[in-house]
Amino acid sequence: GAGVSQSPSNKVTEKGKDVELRCDPISGHTALYWYRQRLGQGLEFLIYFQGNSAPDKSGLPSDRFSAERTGESVSTLTIQRTQQEDSAVYLCASSVLVLSNQPQHFGDGTRLSIL
Amino acid sequence: SQQGEEDPQALSIQEGENATMNCSYKTSINNLQWYRQNSGRGLVHLILIRSNEREKHSGRLRVTLDTSKKSSSLLITASRAADTASYFCATVMKTSYDKVIFGPGTSLSVIP
Repeated sequence: GAGVSQSPSNKVTEKGKDVELRCDPISGHTALYWYRQRLGQGLEFLIYFQGNSAPDKSGLPSDRFSAERTGESVSTLTIQRTQQEDSAVYLCASSVLVLSNQPQHFGDGTRLSIL
Repeated sequence: SQQGEEDPQALSIQEGENATMNCSYKTSINNLQWYRQNSGRGLVHLILIRSNEREKHSGRLRVTLDTSKKSSSLLITASRAADTASYFCATVMKTSYDKVIFGPGTSLSVIP
């Protein structure tokens, strides 16, 4: 009965380092979404998965960003050569199906700070 | 500019009062959803209203949708301090069934 779990909850790293963010969706949820939320802002869509395929990568800001998903479970979002503008909260959500009428269930996010 | 934009950006009311937040959007939608986000937490789905519906209720929440004006409102009646949060509308465009686009949100403060 666990919800969406994200780790780490906080990450502080130096500019230029790579970071890996993890998302454990609700068991049985086919769809998984990644968003970025800058301080005081709304959500910026990054990528979504249907199963382990990613039909829409259009939201990834640059080629430094990549994501993968193993089967219908864990997903990792990787940011290479981090920049200060990457500082934000990265939110993951999952839903039963990739359909617009399915509510998304969110984790509490990873707060990323680039020094 | 954004597909969905909430208005006002910030709202402060006394406990017991009603809170109304509005959302405007630009293109035809499949449905519109409202979410709540408490500080430091993820978003929580509140309610979904389809494009062929005009009003929907859930507890103290009432959502209306006016597709002719491309707008929606979220009314929280008899507000409580625990309602303090940011509220986001999210639209799903008819041309992109699988992508939910979130607005910048309304920050609601309910003063005890």
